[in-house]
Amino acid sequence: QKEVEQNSGPLSVPEGAIASLNCTYSDRGSQSFFWYRQYSGKSPELIMFIYSNGDKEDGRFTAQLNKASQYVSLLIRDSQPSDSATYLCAVNDPQGAQKLVFGQGTRLTINP
Amino acid sequence: DVKVTQSSRYLVKRTGEKVFLECVQDMDHENMFWYRQDPGLGLRLIYFSYDVKMKEKGDIPEGYSVSREKKERFSLILESASTNQTSMYLCASSPQGIYNEQFFGPGTRLTVL
Repeated sequence: QKEVEQNSGPLSVPEGAIASLNCTYSDRGSQSFFWYRQYSGKSPELIMFIYSNGDKEDGRFTAQLNKASQYVSLLIRDSQPSDSATYLCAVNDPQGAQKLVFGQGTRLTINP
Repeated sequence: DVKVTQSSRYLVKRTGEKVFLECVQDMDHENMFWYRQDPGLGLRLIYFSYDVKMKEKGDIPEGYSVSREKKERFSLILESASTNQTSMYLCASSPQGIYNEQFFGPGTRLTVL
């Protein structure tokens, strides 16, 4: 059974600080990695994707991938109360064609 | 603009009823997926489809079936609803390729009494 593990939280971060969200995955063959944000009562929306080792930056968000350690993370700089949500890590299933395997999500709260 | 729509936002059904959940995407995507989401259990894949009339079981297909007669439409069927099928149901679609994101619909919150 392929696994994607996230700390379920809740993770509480003061406004303006850096929020760091972590994810590990079990299948070394995975090649694409996604971070989704899900507000309470809403559906997931993509905020970042990464395919290559290293960092990828988009505005206040940075995704980091380390395939050797099977680890992917999301950093949110200058955290805002509007960043309060559940963040889902998703990884492609190498044996499952275009399926994604989702972690359980980390609930993030930004405190004003 | 990318769009995945689901037939109902909220649905209340009785035990034993046959339930249809419909999903439509307007992006000409090949892949479509049905998930259910429950607190503490995350997103779990029920069924998916790579093409018209094609379907594959996901991780929890028991008690469900699907239909894909047209490329844009993917239906989830609960043959005989049970209380343990009370959940949030999410439909998603994606183009072919492992580097493509899945786009989600707004979800249907189903309650089975």
